[in-house]
Amino acid sequence: SQQGEEDPQALSIQEGENATMNCSYKTSINNLQWYRQNSGRGLVHLILIRSNEREKHSGRLRVTLDTSKKSSSLLITASRAADTASYFCATDAGETSGSRLTFGEGTQLTVNP
Amino acid sequence: DTGVSQNPRHKITKRGQNVTFRCDPISEHNRLYWYRQTLGQGPEFLTYFQNEAQLEKSRLLSDRFSAERPKGSFSTLEIQRTEQGDSAMYLCASSLRGERGTEAFFGQGTRLTVV
Repeated sequence: SQQGEEDPQALSIQEGENATMNCSYKTSINNLQWYRQNSGRGLVHLILIRSNEREKHSGRLRVTLDTSKKSSSLLITASRAADTASYFCATDAGETSGSRLTFGEGTQLTVNP
Repeated sequence: DTGVSQNPRHKITKRGQNVTFRCDPISEHNRLYWYRQTLGQGPEFLTYFQNEAQLEKSRLLSDRFSAERPKGSFSTLEIQRTEQGDSAMYLCASSLRGERGTEAFFGQGTRLTVV
């Protein structure tokens, strides 16, 4: 079953605007990861945030994690048309579950030029 | 290119036929995972290997599904007596085992269509 839930399910913005996607989960985690998927392709890893971290940056990406609320957000700043894709959060519950990932249903981001 | 290779990229088969997919992970990675993804959904865990040992199987993996990872290198996923409900993207990922967790590298997937 899917643990993560992303919201919104779909987001359409103009190039240059910021895009924020949220993810909620239900169980304790070791880390949370965000992935991107272009239509019909595999997943590309974007960023990993550990359970003892609250914020992480990578280029135009900013991820926050609130373990008390069991939620995370992904912010993409100054969006580009090439950012159009599906974005998934995935939780890793740690070695007791073999570090397998539990994915949400994703947010479909469309950046209009 | 993430370094994880899956073959074939696409497979169309008739209901009732058997199919086999292959995954070649990043060579130094000791963990290999199989996931299934249907349209509009996130990937769902099927099974994983640490080296050659299959350590966990999801309830999604019926007895028609079998996975192997001989010698801890490449892996195969076989589906016997395919059904239309098996139509999906099958994704393979590999990673290095670590207490703090590491990113998983995904292949491009094999899209299975059962007609």
